[in-house]
Amino acid sequence: GESVGLHLPTLSVQEGDNSIINCAYSNSASDYFIWYKQESGKGPQFIIDIRSNMDKRQGQRVTVLLNKTVKHLSLQIAATQPGDSAVYFCAENKGTSYDKVIFGPGTSLSVIP
Amino acid sequence: DGGITQSPKYLFRKEGQNVTLSCEQNLNHDAMYWYRQDPGQGLRLIYYSQIVNDFQKGDIAEGYSVSREKKESFPLTVTSAQKNPTAFYLCASRGLAVNSGANVLTFGAGSRLTVL
Repeated sequence: GESVGLHLPTLSVQEGDNSIINCAYSNSASDYFIWYKQESGKGPQFIIDIRSNMDKRQGQRVTVLLNKTVKHLSLQIAATQPGDSAVYFCAENKGTSYDKVIFGPGTSLSVIP
Repeated sequence: DGGITQSPKYLFRKEGQNVTLSCEQNLNHDAMYWYRQDPGQGLRLIYYSQIVNDFQKGDIAEGYSVSREKKESFPLTVTSAQKNPTAFYLCASRGLAVNSGANVLTFGAGSRLTVL
């Protein structure tokens, strides 16, 4: 069946280091893949997305890489800051379809000062 | 500011009682969603609505009900039939992201329900 899952449930990084959060997906028909950040006690917030026909997309301090060959998605955070501590979810999005959005279990990122 | 408003933020319920969680959006989005989140876990879809007066069951709809009488509003009722209702409930609407062609979810701050 369809699924989007994350390899690591927890990740600890030193402040200033780069973070890499991974995600595996199984549905090759998805048009977009999206990363969300959820801080403690809050709702998730959109970070960045990538179309299925792209390999890489950069934002402010974040880069998302998509490897369709192995169905793998990653989120890289440069110069990780304490404010980056959160749970990160990847999700599949089928373009303008109103189909249900599938979330992975999430990776908890802790930044060590 | 445009966004999603959920209320109440915290709610306590006795076993056997129904409770309704409110979700209002002023983003003019057509699609709205309800997710359940248990501690240390991901988001599971309860119900979603593509348009007014229409809604679809998600993966864990049993024990829940919704209505969509207005575009702005998508309340969720947690009924007494829901066996384990204690959880964090998240409402979202779906629309185009800025600088992107992707339809992304905008979430509310959540409602934490505890059954006593």
